[in-house]
Amino acid sequence: IQMTQFPSSLSASVGDRVTITCRASQDIRNDLGWYQQKPGKAPKLLIYAASYLQSGVPSRFSGSGSGTDFTLTISGLQPEDFTTYYCLQDYNYPRTFGQGTKVEIK
Amino acid sequence: QVQLQESGPGLVKPAETLSLTCTVSGGSINNYYWTWLRQPPGKGLEWIGYIYNSENTNYNPSLKTNYNPSLKSRVTISVDTSKNQFSLRLTSVTPADTAVYYCASEGGGGSYDNWGQGTLVTVSS
Repeated sequence: IQMTQFPSSLSASVGDRVTITCRASQDIRNDLGWYQQKPGKAPKLLIYAASYLQSGVPSRFSGSGSGTDFTLTISGLQPEDFTTYYCLQDYNYPRTFGQGTKVEIK
Repeated sequence: QVQLQESGPGLVKPAETLSLTCTVSGGSINNYYWTWLRQPPGKGLEWIGYIYNSENTNYNPSLKTNYNPSLKSRVTISVDTSKNQFSLRLTSVTPADTAVYYCASEGGGGSYDNWGQGTLVTVSS
């Protein structure tokens, strides 16, 4: 399954609302997760099953979608949110990631 | 909370075999999908494969491992329950295999909620 993630990068300011999109090449139901990766660190699970917030993750992160189209929304960007985000389909194997979105400070 | 820690050589010569170990602490290695992933410098993430270690002696061995088809001919993932470790072997490496290698556990529903810190392996002569 091919995962197309866009945009590849975006510029935003603290407090902004941003949306990242992932599109699957086939129906993956809601079997999608969103991960945040900071430089030099392992990815961190933010959202699972497309819309469920992982324990301990701030509520400004939300996910939506099903089938082939999914979005990650960050409502009220904080300084620590400027980093890279990936989607991952866990519908089948091999697992496949989106190409990543780098959120930069405007 | 289960913790994962990768270990192994940071430099491997072309055509040789890359070998890494992930030590699982704070929990049992049984009944989880133990996974390897990698990330070339400055690039995205790639799923390598998993091994599932079951306490059920009737468990079908053919379901125990699953590898990315792009690497399947070169990859072996194994488990050592006595040491609470699982390992990755990647044969015939090239510079394209240079990456940070992560071990992770697959939680319920297929998400990766627990990762090692990652270890950089460089393939170079």
